[in-house]
Amino acid sequence: QVQLQESGPGLVKPSETLSLTCAVSGYSISSGYYWGWIRQPPGKGLEWIGSIYHSGSTYYNPSLKSRVTISVDTSKNQFSLKLSSVTAADTAVYYCARGAPYYYGSGNYYFDYWGQGTLVTVSS
Amino acid sequence: DIQMTQSPSSVSASVGDRVTITCRASQGISSWLAWYQQKPGKAPKLLIYAASSLQSGVPSRFSGSGSGTDFTLTISSLQPEDFATYYCQQANSFPVFGPGTKVDIK
Repeated sequence: QVQLQESGPGLVKPSETLSLTCAVSGYSISSGYYWGWIRQPPGKGLEWIGSIYHSGSTYYNPSLKSRVTISVDTSKNQFSLKLSSVTAADTAVYYCARGAPYYYGSGNYYFDYWGQGTLVTVSS
Repeated sequence: DIQMTQSPSSVSASVGDRVTITCRASQGISSWLAWYQQKPGKAPKLLIYAASSLQSGVPSRFSGSGSGTDFTLTISSLQPEDFATYYCQQANSFPVFGPGTKVDIK
């Protein structure tokens, strides 16, 4: 059974960098799939932040691209998110999820396994 | 960028009702559409992918249809555990979610 678990600080100061890690169990990240981050501001909808392919290629939401870095540590079977220069608008529940391609080599995917989510509040 | 809309934004229904939610893409996305269910305080749960394929373990009262720009999620007989918010998601370019449809108790 694939499981994902987010971890990281729950409070980040404005202008600083938000850093989260997603630990994956039950599947080796290096074996395939996309590995993504999605966020949800309180009371609002879902926003894709970015994904990393098992090969290491990264894909980011154009609206966040200048501030986002996603990386993978295959030795620990985990991947990470860094979001720089945060403001109150970045306050949200952050989810990590596995992206399943519709077919082999496809850039189109859906999210079949999700972490439970972690609330990150940006405040001084 | 491809935009997603959903209608209605909310619907009140009773147990046993048939509920249909519509998702529309701003341009054609073939059948690259997924549906998720989210309950308060929980992560989204995949229900349908490829517009009409039921994810393993999801009850058969959930069904999806459509292709191109117009898609529907149907709950054939609403159960108490189905009261939740439902999101569509396209994957034709980068992942984009619809704004959600809240299904609550009438």
